[in-house]
Formats: sequence, structure tokens, C-alpha cells
Amino acid sequence: NAGVTQTPKFRILKIGQSMTLQCAQDMNHNYMYWYRQDPGMGLKLIYYSVGAGITDKGEVPNGYNVSRSTTEDFPLRLELAAPSQTSVYFCASSYGGTSIIPGELFFGEGSRLTVL
Amino acid sequence: AQKVTQAQTEISVVEKEDVTLDCVYETRDTTYYLFWYKQPPSGELVFLIRRNSFDEQNEISGRYSWNFQKSTSSFNFTITASQVVDSAVYFCALSEARDNTDKLIFGTGTRLQVFP
Repeated sequence: NAGVTQTPKFRILKIGQSMTLQCAQDMNHNYMYWYRQDPGMGLKLIYYSVGAGITDKGEVPNGYNVSRSTTEDFPLRLELAAPSQTSVYFCASSYGGTSIIPGELFFGEGSRLTVL
Repeated sequence: AQKVTQAQTEISVVEKEDVTLDCVYETRDTTYYLFWYKQPPSGELVFLIRRNSFDEQNEISGRYSWNFQKSTSSFNFTITASQVVDSAVYFCALSEARDNTDKLIFGTGTRLQVFP
């Protein structure tokens, strides 16, 4: 099993450019998440999805968009890159089944994005 | 509002020393879940433990132990006889049951450096 796969691992963007961070999981998880990690700030939730066709904003959604057309994929789109979006981005997934006990999040290896 | 505080930004110890990482949380929910994740220098996040709010029993797993005290809203993590491989950033996180989405609220992390 590959688990959660993120691409690309590194990317440099110019201000105003657009790009999509790809995320795919092969664990048949219902829930998926995008977090960003800034130095000394921990991880902040950008967007999340509880199933195909369902997405919702997290704590820091401005400047980003997501879609969830399949259970496996959850891409994160940056439309007009800004220096404030320089960060490490983590995609994660969890089972999100009928149990009310929250599950363990499985994380990808991260994507380091620099906006210059 | 929900919040996780890890007041220790960085801790340095010498191998074989014991070290405790502090975590204090805030939530208005009576049912919630607490987590610890490890982020080694390679960057991925590794799940260590999940504890629910109704289970205040301390847990031990090898050299790792966790002390959950609802009275002080703390969920501290102790590494006994630390090793160089324990060097990493450690995150404490909170999930509220009423949310029903597995979303995690992370603390800012504690960087542990273990010197030989």
C-alpha cells in the first residue's frame, strides 16, 4: 500500500502563478484533509472533505480551493500564489467510518512550496 | 474555543536522560480525543497515541509514557532513557467528538534534540 501520496514534493512559484498540489490515498478512507505547516506554528487546517463531492473550509482557507470528485483524490489549488503561502503542505486521510471514535490520521510526506 | 498549547518550543537533552513534553488543551466538549504525533527530520508525521476523555489511565509503551489529567487539562508525554533517534518535533493534538470529522487541532510542537 502506498498510503497517502503527495506530488510534487518541492515547488518554487512566482507571485501570481497558479498550481495544484495533488493528493491521493489508496486506503479507501472517507475523510481527507489539507494542512499547512509554518515554522513554529504547528499545523493549520486549510480544507477538509468527508466524502466525494463534499468539502468544507478549515481554519485558513483563503487563497486555496479544493475539489473531491473521487474517494481517492483530493487536490489543493492555489490560484494566485502569494509569499504568505510559502509553507509545507500536508495531505492526510482517515477512515471516517460509522464509529464515533475519531480515527488516526495518515499523512503524506509533505509538499514544500516556496513563492518568490 | 478549542486550543492546544505546547509551551516548550525546544528541549535539548543528553542521551539516556528522561524528558517530559508538556501539553495543555482547552475544549468545551465533554467528549474529546487527544493525540501525540512525531515528526522526525525526514518530515513525515507519525501517529504515537490516541486517548479519549473518559480514559484517564496512564499509558506506557516501551520507553514512552503518557500522563492524562483532566483536572489540569494536560496530556504530557515522557520519554525514558532518551535516544538520539528520539530527536524530532512532537505535536500534541485535540479532536472533538461533536465535530464527527476527525479534524485535529494541533499545538505548535516541541522540538526535542537528543545529543549523544
